[in-house]
Parts: sequence; structure tokens; C-alpha cells
Amino acid sequence: NAGVTQTPKFRILKIGQSMTLQCTQDMNHNYMYWYRQDPGMGLKLIYYSVGAGITDKGEVPNGYNVSRSTTEDFPLRLELAAPSQTSVYFCASSLQLQETQYFGPGTRLLVL
Amino acid sequence: AQSVSQHNHHVILSEAASLELGCNYSYGGTVNLFWYVQYPGQHLQLLLKYFSGDPLVKGIKGFEAEFIKSKFSFNLRKPSVQWSDTAEYFCAVNVDNAGNMLTFGGGTRLMVKP
Repeated sequence: NAGVTQTPKFRILKIGQSMTLQCTQDMNHNYMYWYRQDPGMGLKLIYYSVGAGITDKGEVPNGYNVSRSTTEDFPLRLELAAPSQTSVYFCASSLQLQETQYFGPGTRLLVL
Repeated sequence: AQSVSQHNHHVILSEAASLELGCNYSYGGTVNLFWYVQYPGQHLQLLLKYFSGDPLVKGIKGFEAEFIKSKFSFNLRKPSVQWSDTAEYFCAVNVDNAGNMLTFGGGTRLMVKP
């Protein structure tokens, strides 16, 4: 199993541009998550999904959108990039509620 | 909303020193507790977790953590650190009424000097 994979690893965006961060897991996990990690702030949950077709907001959803058309994929969309979205983004998945979450390698995003 | 506090943001130790990283949370109900580690350039990995049972849990690489309910704490310990333990450590809490949402602490960056 590759586990949780994310692309790209690094991206620079200009203010107002849009992009999609890809996340795929091959563990047949029901639950998937997107976090952002800012220095000294730990990880903040952006969106999560409990299964294909079902998504819900986390703690910091503004400026982002997600979709979950398949069990494997959970892309995160930034429509109008802002400097405040400069961060490291982690995707994670878990099999069941309250189970261990498995993290991807992260995407480092810089918005200038 | 629950919160998780890690009071030590940076810790520097010499090899063979003992380690204790503090973690406190603010929820009074049933909790599930985790410690994750992020080695330089790598993604987060689970060190150990507590769901129920023995409050002293052992994880990988010689780490352990003790859940003290009365103190709302879940401190991470290791008797003798190695240079390879240099990493950032995150405590995380999942509470019963928050679905599968994990709340993370701010992290503690550990540097072990050889």
C-alpha cells in the first residue's frame, strides 16, 4: 500500500489564482481529512469527509472547497488564493471513527 | 470547544537525557488521546494512542505516555533520548461529541544534541 499520497509537494501561487491539492489513499478508508499546519499552531482541520459524497466543514473552512466523489480521492480546492493561505497542507485518512489517522507527506503552498 | 496545550515549544536535550513533554486538554468527558511525531522532512506518524484501559501506554521507539484523568494530562516520556528523536511532537485529542475531529496541540520541537 502506498498509504496517503499528496500532490504537488510544493507550489507557489499568485494572489487570486486557483489550484487543487490532490489527495489519494489506497487503504479503503472511509474517513478523510484536510489540515493546515502553521508554525507554532499545530494542525487545524479544514474539511473532512465520512464517505463518498459526504463532506463537512472543520475548524477553518473559509477559502476552501472539497469534494469526495470516490472513496480514494479527496481533493482540496483553493478558488482565490490569499497570502493567509500560505501553509503546509496535510491530508489524512482513517478507517473508522476515532481510529488512528494516517497522514500524507504534505503540500507546501506559498501565496505571493 | 476543546483545546490542547503543549507548554514547551522548544526543547533541547543531550543524548541519553530523559524526556518529558507536557500535554493538557480542556475537555471533561471521554477522550481519545494521541501523540504524533513529525521527523524532519517527513509526514506525521503515530507514536502512541490511548483509548481506554491501562493509562500508561507504550508506543514505538521506546516512548510512553501516561493518561492522568484528574490532571487532564497525557504527557509523553522517554527515559533516554537519541539524536534520531529530533523531531516535532504533537499531542492530539478526539472527544466523543466531535465525531472524528482531532484537535492538535501547537507542537513541541525537540532537538537532541549528539
